[in-house]
Amino acid sequence: AQSVTQLGSHVSVSEGALVLLRCNYSSSVPPYLFWYVQYPNQGLQLLLKYTTGATLVKGINGFEAEFKKSETSFHLTKPSAHMSDAAEYFCAVKSNNDMRFGAGTRLTVKP
Amino acid sequence: SAVISQKPSRDICQRGTSLTIQCQVDSQVTMMFWYRQQPGQSLTLIATANQGSEATYESGFVIDKFPISRPNLTFSTLTVSNMSPEDSSIYLCSVGVGGPTDTQYFGPGTRLTVL
Repeated sequence: AQSVTQLGSHVSVSEGALVLLRCNYSSSVPPYLFWYVQYPNQGLQLLLKYTTGATLVKGINGFEAEFKKSETSFHLTKPSAHMSDAAEYFCAVKSNNDMRFGAGTRLTVKP
Repeated sequence: SAVISQKPSRDICQRGTSLTIQCQVDSQVTMMFWYRQQPGQSLTLIATANQGSEATYESGFVIDKFPISRPNLTFSTLTVSNMSPEDSSIYLCSVGVGGPTDTQYFGPGTRLTVL
């Protein structure tokens, strides 16, 4: 069965700084990979996904992630953090119709 | 994508009672999922509900506690039965869209507090 590890339950950055949220996965078959964001008191919103093709995936709100098979990673980045990016971020892996979520990373953005 | 609504958005319930959560989707979907998100934690899949068949429950979840209905391709309900404070969680409905690379979209969630 596949699994997801998100390194760092809390990440704090200053406004305008680089955002890097780490995600590593394990899967016995080529996986589909996702990042979701959850704002306070809301459901999950899809940020981006990797299925096949280009390994650098661009999503909404300026986020992007790169699938690195050799490192089994799918880290999420954004060049310049905005106050509105403060939220909980979940990495997920899907294979054989089974989706697994990471524990989540809470991003705080300081003014 | 899919637009998903849930009712109620939140509720406070007494121990021993039951609550039924509704999930409505704006398009026909084959696969619907129910998740639980306990305070400060990630999502745990409760069950998968496909129209026309019995729901498939994950380990640790049983039909008597979490009965699910799926009467058509746009609607599902999850009932939390005989509630205890440990059932206090956010319950999320999700649907799969997109064929083989199904992307899952989520409803806004139902925040349940059991006293």
